[in-house]
Amino acid sequence: AQTVTQSQPEMSVQEAETVTLSCTYDTSESNYYLFWYKQPPSRQMILVIRQEAYKQQNATENRFSVNFQKAAKSFSLKISDSQLGDTAMYFCAFISTGAQKLVFGQGTRLTINP
Amino acid sequence: EAGVAQSPRYKIIEKRQSVAFWCNPISGHATLYWYQQILGQGPKLLIQFQNNGVVDDSQLPKDRFSAERLKGVDSTLKIQPAKLEDSAVYLCASSLPGLAYSYEQYFGPGTRLTVT
Repeated sequence: AQTVTQSQPEMSVQEAETVTLSCTYDTSESNYYLFWYKQPPSRQMILVIRQEAYKQQNATENRFSVNFQKAAKSFSLKISDSQLGDTAMYFCAFISTGAQKLVFGQGTRLTINP
Repeated sequence: EAGVAQSPRYKIIEKRQSVAFWCNPISGHATLYWYQQILGQGPKLLIQFQNNGVVDDSQLPKDRFSAERLKGVDSTLKIQPAKLEDSAVYLCASSLPGLAYSYEQYFGPGTRLTVT
């Protein structure tokens, strides 16, 4: 069974700083996707960034980028120039093309302080 | 494009009562999911529909939970009778079919259920 682990329950940084959220996963599958979802206090979950396992190049979306280490089964999210609106729960998630079932980590609560 | 709609947003019931949640997915999305998110945890898949057929309900407590998706569009999730441990946020999500759309799921705002 696939598992996703986020080892940082909470993090707090100052506005404009860079922050990195950690995620590790366990799978025997070779074809899969990894995601970071953001869940602000209003509860609507939105996709931040996606990484296909077959791509070696790390995905980037504006201030958000990932460090995908396939051999180590690690998938960290870096937020550059953090903003107050980045305050939210962040969930790492995994889906294999075989099982097609999205598995979430426990989440990291990120607070951006003014 | 309208997002995933859910109602109600909040519900408080007493244990042993019944409750129902409604979800309207994004137009054209064939796949619909119901998740349970207990406070401080990540969402857990309860049931997945492809059109109006069930793909995965392995984690649905079938003695008290039921779900249906009539006509392959709207869906309802019911709990009867509710237990204290059912207190959670129930999230609905929808997606276009798998690989071509990179498995991205779109989530609704959720229904926060409190069982007293």
